[in-house]
This record gives sequence, C-alpha cells and structure tokens, in this order.
Amino acid sequence: DAKTTQPTSMDCAEGRAANLPCNHSTISGNEYVYWYRQIHSQGPQYIIHGLKNNETNEMASLIITEDRKSSTLILPHATLRDTAVYYCILNKGANNLFFGTGTRLTVIP
Amino acid sequence: DAGITQSPRHKVTETGTPVTLRCHQTENHRYMYWYRQDPGHGLRLIHYSYGVKDTDKGEVSDGYSVSRSKTEDFLLTLESATSSQTSVYFCAINREWDSEQFFGPGTRLTVL
Repeated sequence: DAKTTQPTSMDCAEGRAANLPCNHSTISGNEYVYWYRQIHSQGPQYIIHGLKNNETNEMASLIITEDRKSSTLILPHATLRDTAVYYCILNKGANNLFFGTGTRLTVIP
Repeated sequence: DAGITQSPRHKVTETGTPVTLRCHQTENHRYMYWYRQDPGHGLRLIHYSYGVKDTDKGEVSDGYSVSRSKTEDFLLTLESATSSQTSVYFCAINREWDSEQFFGPGTRLTVL
C-alpha cells in the first residue's frame, strides 16, 4: 500500500502562508490524497482532498503535482489556531487510510 | 460537529476486565470506524463497518471485537483488557468509503 512522507515539524509566522509538503511517490491511479489535522488531543478534522486537480475550499488549497507523486497543502493566512499535526493520507478504500505521524505545524506570533 | 458521540469519554479499568466503548452517530452514515492513537503514532485502524452487521478488521484488530446492530451505533469491545490497550480511541464515520471522515471526540482508556 502506498504511504506518505512528511516533514516531522514546521514553523510558520502568523499571517503568512503555511506550505506543508507531502511525498507519495508510489501512489496508484485510484488513490485520493486527503489532508486532515489534529489539534491537541481532539479528533482529527478533515481539511481537503483531491485526486488529480488542484483543489481549494474555505480552509486551504491542495496542489498536486502532475505526476501525482507529491502534493502541498497551503494554509493561506496561518493563525495561531492552525497550530496542529497535519496528516497527508492516501485513500483507496475504507480500510486503507494510513495516518502516519504527520507534520507538527507551529504558528508563531 | 458531525453528530458523533463517544461514551465513555474516560475510563480506567483493570487488566483482565471486559470493556465496551460506544460510538453513536446521528448522520445515518454507512461507514463507521474505530481507531486507536498512541503517543508518537498516528491513528491506526482497529475495525470498521460498512453497514449493519457488516464489519471487517483493520490494521490492529487483535484483542478487539466490534458489533453494529443498528446504523447509529458501533461498539468496540475489549474482551479481556491488557495494559497494551491503554490508548485514546477515536470513532469516525463517513457516507461512502471515499468521502471525508468525521471523527468523534475520543475515549481515553487506561488499563492498570
């Protein structure tokens, strides 16, 4: 099963864009890229997902490379409340959602 | 909030005792999941359900059983709790396998 690789941690200044990378070089054609985040001890929260095209919603933008081997989650104007662990996940089935250890994003005032 | 509740929210029990955790949803979603999360780890899937009475194993199913007799409830049972099952347990739901999952608030279980 395809897995993802993310940096362990990142910092971002408040008000600036946070760009969180994810490598998924063994992704298969029917796997979606999902992003979730988990704010301290709460349940994970869905952010965005995509298959091939770039996606944008009220929370974030998702940029997927043309070969689909990597993606970037963009939080356009990070706030202190965006401090969380961000998980990049590949999904091709109900029992096939591997969270990994994610990226701990710290937004700095 | 996606209408998911978990009970109890906190539980301390002793090794060898049976424990049942409940996940309740008001969304009428087809899929329900149980995950566990341990320090330094992401979430790991224990069991999931794709309909009433339809369940399947996940990555870390040993020592756990589940039941789903109604759409809205998904029960996770530890038949004989062990200290290695001390963890935070999250329930999740989604409408279809490829739609976003919504998570409950979690249950913190301590097995002494």
